[in-house]
Amino acid sequence: DGGITQSPKYLFRKEGQNVTLSCEQNLNHDAMYWYRQDPGQGLRLIYYSQIVNDFQKGDIAEGYSVSREKKESFPLTVTSAQKNPTAFYLCASSKGDRNNSPLHFGNGTRLTVT
Amino acid sequence: GNSVTQMEGPVTLSEEAFLTINCTYTATGYPSLFWYVQYPGEGLQLLLKATKADDKGSNKGFEATYRKETTSFHLEKGSVQVSDSAVYFCALSDRDGTSYGKLTFGQGTILTVHP
Repeated sequence: DGGITQSPKYLFRKEGQNVTLSCEQNLNHDAMYWYRQDPGQGLRLIYYSQIVNDFQKGDIAEGYSVSREKKESFPLTVTSAQKNPTAFYLCASSKGDRNNSPLHFGNGTRLTVT
Repeated sequence: GNSVTQMEGPVTLSEEAFLTINCTYTATGYPSLFWYVQYPGEGLQLLLKATKADDKGSNKGFEATYRKETTSFHLEKGSVQVSDSAVYFCALSDRDGTSYGKLTFGQGTILTVHP
């Protein structure tokens, strides 16, 4: 079945360490996205990529970095510069076309930094 | 910029009750509008969408109508079930020509349905 796989489901890190969250899709989608979800705040866009080897900052990109070397993969690195990294992170993909095809989401990674 | 405002939650209903979750938006141009649902511990799933004014999206007994005059996209269901308990997100798309598919989300509304 086609879909988006995020791993791991739960991740624990010590403050000051960088951590990379994995996101893989086999839907042949051009566009991929990273959102952060915090209680009572909905989803906020961190980074997005419309095509391989290109990506743009979203609304809350500070303290995060991404790469898009392959169409299927869009890993997110949470750096030590991110002030409040503990959150639920959601990866999504879409065709990224003019028809506003809907986003398909992974099941998320819950990151806890202590 | 774009924004989406949903009614405050949580919403608690008895099974078979009528559901309305309000959603209003601010956007330039003519966005597409979406409702997504998130079940516990999972990602979001598309529930329904509408791409132009007066369009009605529907799925699984849920409906929402794109009202341009009131900039609203309220979600309704005539008879909710326990299995509808989830978090519901209203969202709009960006149509600025450079970022198709980029969504702006509301804060989410928690729905709990009791037997």
